Amino acid sequence: EAGVAQSPRYKIIEKRQSVAFWCNPISGHATLYWYQQILGQGPKLLIQFQNNGVVDDSQLPKDRFSAERLKGVDSTLKIQPAKLEDSAVYLCASDWGVNEQFFGPGTRLTVL
Amino acid sequence: LAKTTQPISMDSYEGQEVNITCSHNNIATNDYITWYQQFPSQGPRFIIQGYKTKVTNEVASLFIPADRKSSTLSLPRVSLSDTAVYYCLVGEPHNAGNMLTFGGGTRLMVKP
Repeated sequence: EAGVAQSPRYKIIEKRQSVAFWCNPISGHATLYWYQQILGQGPKLLIQFQNNGVVDDSQLPKDRFSAERLKGVDSTLKIQPAKLEDSAVYLCASDWGVNEQFFGPGTRLTVL
Repeated sequence: LAKTTQPISMDSYEGQEVNITCSHNNIATNDYITWYQQFPSQGPRFIIQGYKTKVTNEVASLFIPADRKSSTLSLPRVSLSDTAVYYCLVGEPHNAGNMLTFGGGTRLMVKP
């Protein structure tokens, strides 16, 4: 079966610019997650969706980050405006409710 | 939310058995223990999950003592390709948001 798809794989922007990441989960997976992974650290959950509803967004910096999951399938994560400390890998994962998450390859964001 | 403690790093040689221990003193009754593996430039990958005693699959074994306050991931006869970061997570399956805290992980280096 196809895995979790993410795009773009790499993105370089200037601080204060905007950026968006896209994720297509595994077909049939109701739960979708976005993580931020800073170099040398473990992934940090930003937001969790169950179908198209938000389950947990307690660690999402809502003043600059937003995410949506239209129709309960694809999802986009946006940062506006970006800060230097947002440089990280943004991982998308999905599962069907038994906590075996399947991760995509991630998007490496560099903010200059 | 149960917190986990793992060694920051471990070294081993090809062909040896590697045991990585995770401490989770505050584990709750309904919590399961899950291990993920992460290679550079990739998202984490599910290895194994267990509740008590011993679980074995084609990749690893997971040993959980009766008090469940710790667990040990055992990798038999490691190879160079097992060099990765290994994360231990504790939480309750099907409880949204409960199993999604990655710690710093254990960086395993396998030498020839």
